[in-house]
Amino acid sequence: TQLLEQSPQFLSIQEGENLTVYCNSSSVFSSLQWYRQEPGEGPVLLVTVVTGGEVKKLKRLTFQFGDARKDSSLHITAAQPGDTGLYLCAGADGGSNYKLTFGKGTLLTVNP
Amino acid sequence: DTAVSQTPKYLVTQMGNDKSIKCEQNLGHDTMYWYKQDSKKFLKIMFSYNNKELIINETVPNRFSPKSPDKAHLNLHINSLELGDSAVYFCASSQVRGGGTDTQYFGPGTRLTVL
Repeated sequence: TQLLEQSPQFLSIQEGENLTVYCNSSSVFSSLQWYRQEPGEGPVLLVTVVTGGEVKKLKRLTFQFGDARKDSSLHITAAQPGDTGLYLCAGADGGSNYKLTFGKGTLLTVNP
Repeated sequence: DTAVSQTPKYLVTQMGNDKSIKCEQNLGHDTMYWYKQDSKKFLKIMFSYNNKELIINETVPNRFSPKSPDKAHLNLHINSLELGDSAVYFCASSQVRGGGTDTQYFGPGTRLTVL
């Protein structure tokens, strides 16, 4: 069974600060996705990374896939209250059904 | 228009009852999923259907039975509800088979509370 460990589990910061969230596994994933979930809603896809070492930017968010495709990080620059939410990483096993395994999430609170 | 919709939004019921949750997607996707999110926010795949064919069936009690009447609908029926079934259940859909590089679109969730 593939497991994804996310850290930190909780993060509370002030507006304008930078932060990094980590997603680690001992397993290799064919691809990795990051989702954000707001209270009372379903997760929404932010990005998909496929190639080892790949870096993708989405405005103030920077996503990196580890060289060995076992880990990923999400860095947010100058966090804003609108960034508040649960950040989930999800890895695909590359099998015939590409089942997604989710991490347990990082709950981010950005205080104004 | 809501892309993936679920009904009901909230479901409160007694132990031992049987209940169903319905899901519909209007995105024209081939694949649909059911996930369970527990009180610690851990999201776990339960089932997946591709064009009405069951392709993922995780270790889930057989009290849970998915049914896909057509590729736009995936319902979840739960028999003999137990306290531990309390959770938020999410339906999702994706264009192709599996969620590797494909975007999964999630519904708003159904919060099930078993008393």
